[in-house]
Amino acid sequence: DQQVKQNSPSLSVQEGRISILNCDYTNSMFDYFLWYKKYPAEGPTFLISISSIKDKNEDGRFTVFLNKSAKHLSLHIVPSQPGDSAVYFCAASGNQFYFGTGTSLTVIP
Amino acid sequence: KAGVTQTPRYLIKTRGQQVTLSCSPISGHRSVSWYQQTPGQGLQFLFEYFSETQRNKGNFPGRFSGRQFSNSRSEMNVSTLELGDSALYLCASSLATSAQETQYFGPGTRLLVL
Repeated sequence: DQQVKQNSPSLSVQEGRISILNCDYTNSMFDYFLWYKKYPAEGPTFLISISSIKDKNEDGRFTVFLNKSAKHLSLHIVPSQPGDSAVYFCAASGNQFYFGTGTSLTVIP
Repeated sequence: KAGVTQTPRYLIKTRGQQVTLSCSPISGHRSVSWYQQTPGQGLQFLFEYFSETQRNKGNFPGRFSGRQFSNSRSEMNVSTLELGDSALYLCASSLATSAQETQYFGPGTRLLVL
């Protein structure tokens, strides 16, 4: 039972443009959401998080949006850079952490 | 601060064997969680330990077990290995287990079962 879903396995974006990665969840009790970035042969690296009391959190080029009514969050990367090419996982915190299956982002120079 | 460390980084075993993986959390972190990552499956939660007690367990068979020591270091053990156990095993640590703690991951142990 996948409580956190990332329906796009891959995404390609031109350098300098916006990357939008999406994530849906099913459990309305989740109250903390995170995005991680993962390079091959490395562990996931924490990127940004958002509490359920907020609808937006920004950190440099990264912004996470939370739509609680739609049970949807998204990660915006502006401007996208080739070094952003990686797999991005969203996660939600309940009694444990639940992770999506990841979206592989490729930023084309 | 040093990050989360995991040993070994790579491991090759044969079916039926058992394996023990080790994780050292970030200094001061008391919670350690273990995940299995396989292609297309994301990160599947195995278990979480806090203050030497298993706090939560995922949906894995009893062949998967773990423990945590008084210094917060953790080990996970897989007995009677199966081919399907080939995966990247990730350890993550956090300060505590409150709902809004961020987990920080180690580099993982890549296990190949032949």
